[in-house]
Amino acid sequence: EVQLVESGGGLVQPGGSLRLSCAASGFSFSSYAMIWVRQAPGKGLEWVSTISGSGSNTYYADSVKGRITISRDNSKSTLYLQMNSLRVEDTAAYYCAKYVADGKRWFDPWGQGTPVTVSS
Amino acid sequence: DIQMTQSPSSVSASVGDRVTITCRASQGINSWLAWYQQKPGKAPRLLIYAASSLQSGVPSRFSGSGSGTDFTLTISSLQPEDFATYYCQQANSFPITFGQGTRLEIK
Repeated sequence: EVQLVESGGGLVQPGGSLRLSCAASGFSFSSYAMIWVRQAPGKGLEWVSTISGSGSNTYYADSVKGRITISRDNSKSTLYLQMNSLRVEDTAAYYCAKYVADGKRWFDPWGQGTPVTVSS
Repeated sequence: DIQMTQSPSSVSASVGDRVTITCRASQGINSWLAWYQQKPGKAPRLLIYAASSLQSGVPSRFSGSGSGTDFTLTISSLQPEDFATYYCQQANSFPITFGQGTRLEIK
């Protein structure tokens, strides 16, 4: 069974940093691109970042570019999201998800999400 | 960026009803469209990909259609577990964008 389990969320002050992790199991992790999507409280879904299976290609939403870095450790089947210079508007549940297939930008399954709260 | 607009934003319906949700892209995306279902406090679940292909394990009462800029998600006979929020997502190009969501409520 494919499973994605996020961790690392929490309360952080504006300007602070946080690193999210997404532990994957049940599939050949290095063969699939992965994404992070976030959802602010009571709002819709917002794509944050994508990383290719090898980790050599990364893509970011303009809203996070320069502040957030996506990475992966294929030896540990783990995806990361390093978030720096956090802002109040980064408050959201952060989900990791797996590409269904190479080159096909639809995602399944998703992790359960980890909450990030940016507040003083 | 490609903007995705869903309508309606919310809809009330009864068990057994047929419901259609519409998604419009601000430019043509061929069939690069997916639909997701999200229940409160839960992660999204992929229902439909490539505009009309049913994801494995999804009941056949869900169907999708359309290409270019106009797409629809249809639930042929609503079941109690279908009351949720539905999102479309364009997969044509970066940045990946989602519709604002359609909340399906019990009448």
